[in-house]
Amino acid sequence: EDQVTQSPEALRLQEGESSSLNCSYTVSGLRGLFWYRQDPGKGPEFLFTLYSAGEEKEKERLKATLTKKESFLHITAPKPEDSATYLCAVNNFNKFYFGSGTKLNVKP
Amino acid sequence: GAVVSQHPSWVICKSGTSVKIECRSLDFQATTMFWYRQFPKQSLMLMATSNEGSKATYEQGVEKDKFLINHASLTLSTLTVTSAHPEDSSFYICSAEGLAGASYEQYFGPGTRLTVT
Repeated sequence: EDQVTQSPEALRLQEGESSSLNCSYTVSGLRGLFWYRQDPGKGPEFLFTLYSAGEEKEKERLKATLTKKESFLHITAPKPEDSATYLCAVNNFNKFYFGSGTKLNVKP
Repeated sequence: GAVVSQHPSWVICKSGTSVKIECRSLDFQATTMFWYRQFPKQSLMLMATSNEGSKATYEQGVEKDKFLINHASLTLSTLTVTSAHPEDSSFYICSAEGLAGASYEQYFGPGTRLTVT
């Protein structure tokens, strides 16, 4: 069964303390792996799409990487405005499967 | 960049009435649109997938007669919650899949908060 698991469920960091969020997946066929950021009461905001193992993408303090079994979202020197829930999703050429998200809280 | 809008952003209705939510892709043509439901502190739950001009495909457990989806054009999909009850209160989010370069991306709307009293 295709599924996506994110860890940890919640992460508290001090401003400037780098860390990584994990997204493990099992899927029959990978069309793409997606990372989104969601703020409370709002729709998810697109961050990255990764298509094949070994691919990496960066945007400001965020860097996403992909292997055949998991993806990491690395956050370098986070700021309080990076606080949000980060969602991972995979598309198996048929539908999207979402993880339950990691709630990130960055304290000043 | 790709923008998806939803209207209304929030709505309060009485039990037994119907509510329509619109989802529009503003600057691209969406080959497929999706409707999700999200409960507090939970992830997105896919309700249905719709393609322009064809019937929506509903996920298991989602009542198609209660949640009516119409995909009238490549830029507009609507979700109508019929005979709404308090348990239908939730955050409804749509997304649209569009071609971005050589690949397809999924972009989300801002969501609609439905409260049924």
